[in-house]
Amino acid sequence: GAVVSQHPSRVICKSGTSVKIECRSLDFQATTMFWYRQFPKQSLMLMATSNEGSKATYEQGVEKDKFLINHASLTLSTLTVTSAHPEDSSFYICSARVGTGADTQYFGPGTRLTVL
Amino acid sequence: EDKVVQSPLSLVVHEGDTVTLNCSYEVTNFRSLLWYKQEKKAPTFLFMLTSSGIEKKSGRLSSILDKKELSSILNITATQTGDSAIYLCAVPALTGNQFYFGTGTSLTVIP
Repeated sequence: GAVVSQHPSRVICKSGTSVKIECRSLDFQATTMFWYRQFPKQSLMLMATSNEGSKATYEQGVEKDKFLINHASLTLSTLTVTSAHPEDSSFYICSARVGTGADTQYFGPGTRLTVL
Repeated sequence: EDKVVQSPLSLVVHEGDTVTLNCSYEVTNFRSLLWYKQEKKAPTFLFMLTSSGIEKKSGRLSSILDKKELSSILNITATQTGDSAIYLCAVPALTGNQFYFGTGTSLTVIP
C-alpha cells in the first residue's frame, strides 16, 4: 500500500513557541492531504484539508491562523502550530488519498505534541 | 446530520474468541465504508466496502456491508493478543474529502 511519513514522531516544546510537522507521501503523489487531531481514547477529528497549490480548507472551529497549513508540493504538506499552548497537546495525524476521487486514505504514523 | 456510530465502545475477550464489531452510518449519498486498525500509532487500512453483501476477507478478519441496514460488521476469528487495538470505521462524505469517523471500538484480547 501507499506509504505516508510524518516528522517528527514526537515533540515537546515550551508554551508560546511554534512547531512544524511534516507529512510526506513517499511513493505516490498526493494532491490532497488531511490533518487530523486525536485526543486520548477518542476518534480522529478532521482539522483541515490540504490542497496542493491552494489554500487549505479548515473545519468549523479550527483556527486557521493558529494551525497553518502549507502544501507546497505533491508529496509534502506541513502543519505549523503557532504560539502553542498546553491545550494544543495532542496526537496529530496526516493522511493522503491515492489519486483524485479515491476513497481510501493512508495515514502517517502521527506526531505526539506535548506543550509544557 | 451525517454520522457514523460504532458499537460496542470497548470489548475484552480471551485469546481464541471470535468477536464482531459493528458500524452503522447515516451519510448522505453513501458510496463506501472503510475499516481501520489503530494500535499505538496512526490507523492502518484494513478494508474498503462498496457493495452490499460482499464479504472482504483477510486471514482471520472479514467484513460485510449491509446497505439496506446502513451498517457493516467486522469479524475477527481466533483472536490473538496482537489483535488488541482500536478499530475505526469511516465513511467518506460525498462533498469535499472529509471522512466521518466512528468513535471506534477498543478491543483487548487477554492471553
